Amino acid sequence: AQTVTQSQPEMSVQEAETVTLSCTYDTSESDYYLFWYKQPPSRQMILVIRQEAYKQQNATENRFSVNFQKAAKSFSLKISDSQLGDAAMYFCAYRTPPIQGAQKLVFGQGTRLTINP
Amino acid sequence: DAGVIQSPRHEVTEMGQEVTLRCKPISGHDYLFWYRQTMMRGLELLIYFNNNVPIDDSGMPEDRFSAKMPNASFSTLKIQPSEPRDSAVYFCASSRGQFRGSETQYFGPGTRLLVL
Repeated sequence: AQTVTQSQPEMSVQEAETVTLSCTYDTSESDYYLFWYKQPPSRQMILVIRQEAYKQQNATENRFSVNFQKAAKSFSLKISDSQLGDAAMYFCAYRTPPIQGAQKLVFGQGTRLTINP
Repeated sequence: DAGVIQSPRHEVTEMGQEVTLRCKPISGHDYLFWYRQTMMRGLELLIYFNNNVPIDDSGMPEDRFSAKMPNASFSTLKIQPSEPRDSAVYFCASSRGQFRGSETQYFGPGTRLLVL
């Protein structure tokens, strides 16, 4: 079974600095999807960024980028120029390829990010 | 687009009562998912539908839980009878499809359930 591990329960960073959140996963598949979701205090799950495993290029979305290391099964999230509004729980998630039919997202336990003004 | 809509946002009930959670997926999305979030177990998939048909309900904890999707724009998750250990945040999510570019799941705001 696929598993997702976020080894940092909590992280903190100074406003305007850069922070990297770690995520590793376990799978025997070669094609899959990876996601980072943000959950602010409102509890809404907000998609931050998405990566397709067959693409070698790392995904970027404005201040958010990933470092996808397929061989190492690592998928870290880098937040540049941290802002107070970035404070939230961040979840890494894995999804199996569509050919298997399964649609389940497997989530890590989350990393709570604090932004210090 | 209004996004995924869930109701109620908060529910407090007493043990033994029936609880019904509601979800309206994003228009045009063919897949609907129900997740539960607890401190102990994190986020876990309960059930998902494709074109209103339940595909995988292996995550449904027990017979007290049931889910229906009578049409493309409405789904319910029912707990009967409810127990204190059912207290959690329940999320509904939807996705357009399962293939590249359409597989991203978009979440609703969640329903916070407290069973006393």
